[in-house]
Amino acid sequence: GDSVTQMEGPVTLSEEAFLTINCTYTATGYPSLFWYVQYPGEGLQLLLKATKADDKGSNKGFEATYRKETTSFHLEKGSVQVSDSAVYFCALKGISSGSARQLTFGSGTQLTVLP
Amino acid sequence: GAVVSQHPSRVICKSGTSVKIECRSLDFQATTMFWYRQFPKQSLMLMATSNEGSKATYEQGVEKDKFLINHASLTLSTLTVTSAHPEDSSFYICSARTSGGEQYFGPGTRLTVT
Repeated sequence: GDSVTQMEGPVTLSEEAFLTINCTYTATGYPSLFWYVQYPGEGLQLLLKATKADDKGSNKGFEATYRKETTSFHLEKGSVQVSDSAVYFCALKGISSGSARQLTFGSGTQLTVLP
Repeated sequence: GAVVSQHPSRVICKSGTSVKIECRSLDFQATTMFWYRQFPKQSLMLMATSNEGSKATYEQGVEKDKFLINHASLTLSTLTVTSAHPEDSSFYICSARTSGGEQYFGPGTRLTVT
């Protein structure tokens, strides 16, 4: 079945550091890929997505490129801020789940940015 | 963006009792809602998918008689954990999907069974 493997955390960075959170997936065909962010005490929010190979999703300075050849969707940000501290989830929506097309999540990566 | 609420945010109950968790889409109608369970430092695991007015579809390994799901309206789904045991302690998250296919998540409910 579909699966998502995500870089284990926690990750602690200083403000303005470069961020990479690795994400690889296993799925049939061409799934859609997502990054969600969960701030303390809040629900998951969609951060960015990509629906086909070589697409780049971007939002709030974060970027991720859908790499079919390496089955990856790594999250990057050039300069993190304290306000980026949160848990980040990589997820995919497969093509083989019928009408439900559920999301499959990675384990989440806790990011803490220190001032 | 669309907002999904969950109530309660935290609940502690005694072993053998039942607990109901509500999930509401506040500003949109959700024909489909999802219930997830999350263990510490682990993925969100889909428990069941519910469509308004019909029976929920449970994932393999999820006991439908233990985790009762009701989706009686387009804005409300409930998850009832019946005869709760300590191993049911977990973080439960609901999600609601719009007619356009966008999925929005609630803030989660922390259940502790003593």
